[in-house]
Amino acid sequence: GAGVSQSPSNKVTEKGKDVELRCDPISGHTALYWYRQSLGQGLEFLIYFQGNSAPDKSGLPSDRFSAERTGGSVSTLTIQRTQQEDSAVYLCASSSGRDSLRGQFFGPGTRLTVL
Amino acid sequence: AQSVTQLGSHVSVSEGALVLLRCNYSSSVPPYLFWYVQYPNQGLQLLLKYTSAATLVKGINGFEAEFKKSETSFHLTKPSAHMSDAAEYFCAVSTQGGSEKLVFGKGTKLTVNP
Repeated sequence: GAGVSQSPSNKVTEKGKDVELRCDPISGHTALYWYRQSLGQGLEFLIYFQGNSAPDKSGLPSDRFSAERTGGSVSTLTIQRTQQEDSAVYLCASSSGRDSLRGQFFGPGTRLTVL
Repeated sequence: AQSVTQLGSHVSVSEGALVLLRCNYSSSVPPYLFWYVQYPNQGLQLLLKYTSAATLVKGINGFEAEFKKSETSFHLTKPSAHMSDAAEYFCAVSTQGGSEKLVFGKGTKLTVNP
């Protein structure tokens, strides 16, 4: 596709349930990132995938959060046993590689509401 | 570790007036710096980026930013504000060591008054 796409655009869930958020990066982009945007914390880095390298998980807030990237393309962010503080907009971005010169291209985000 | 400080969570200007959004960074290595804009209910869009090629960087929609190492600043400016510039603006710095993860400032919401 022309840009980064994310689904669903909105997700409402009950506390304690698991959720999966999907990201389709720009075709050919080898790097993929997840960020979280919340009122209290601003924009926070969660996890970064680059090609076949081990992902950088340093931003994941707890072991309830995990992500995978299949076939070097689509990524899924999973949040287990959701808590109310997980409510936020989850943004996915992709870029063409290690070179920071190109910048990152962001998707529209998934708004997660945990009741 | 890198960090970014954006001075002023809200900035209000009149249409046609100068826009100045402030960003200061902290980095132990030469930084890559970015400005992103977020329109209501939309994702982030790259406005411009500094990559050490030139200290004055021109971006889209008439915005530009100047990298000042001595002041550790990367302020965003536009000579004449337009109503369509109303949005939230984020300054970001990229980390080093082979990872491009961005560290963002808290954002500045720009209001343009007619």
